[in-house]
Amino acid sequence: AQSVTQLDSQVPVFEEAPVELRCNYSSSVSVYLFWYVQYPNQGLQLLLKYLSGSTLVKGINGFEAEFNKSQTSFHLRKPSVHISDTAEYFCAVTRGSGYSTLTFGKGTMLLVSP
Amino acid sequence: EAQVTQNPRYLITVTGKKLTVTCSQNMNHEYMSWYRQDPGLGLRQIYYSMNVEVTDKGDVPEGYKVSRKEKRNFPLILESPSPNQTSLYFCASSRGDRGHTEAFFGQGTRLTVV
Repeated sequence: AQSVTQLDSQVPVFEEAPVELRCNYSSSVSVYLFWYVQYPNQGLQLLLKYLSGSTLVKGINGFEAEFNKSQTSFHLRKPSVHISDTAEYFCAVTRGSGYSTLTFGKGTMLLVSP
Repeated sequence: EAQVTQNPRYLITVTGKKLTVTCSQNMNHEYMSWYRQDPGLGLRQIYYSMNVEVTDKGDVPEGYKVSRKEKRNFPLILESPSPNQTSLYFCASSRGDRGHTEAFFGQGTRLTVV
């Protein structure tokens, strides 16, 4: 079974500052990794995903994440945030072969202020 | 437009009164699932289905039922709702090949049981 830990429940940041949202996972097999974003009163939307290949993946809205197998991490970064990035962000993992359910972290609320 | 549609978006009901939340997807996805989202707990999987007539329990199945008679539909049934089932519910679908890739989410159903 796999698990996901999002180390921060809330991250406050000022507009135009850089941000990193941390995610660590646990799994005994290869994995696929995802970041989803949830804007207020909306469903979840895929930001980016790592399936294989380059460990640096780029997503929508200027976000990127780096897969680090040795540290079992998949941290999300953005060099300059906007007010509109205020949302909850979820890291998720699934097994990289065969059938497996998608396991989510508990979420990180990104609060961007002017 | 590819989408997952849940109905209703909001529902207030009384303890013990059976209800059904519908979920439909138009992407011909094999895999569908239901999650509940609670503050501080992230998303937890209730039930999932790998294809028509194939369903299985997720992490928190107690008090819920599902059925998958058609590929596009995956209703969630609460036979006797209780206040601890007050939550935000999401339906999701994804392709079934090569394990679990991108999941598409509905807009959510906010259920209150009084």
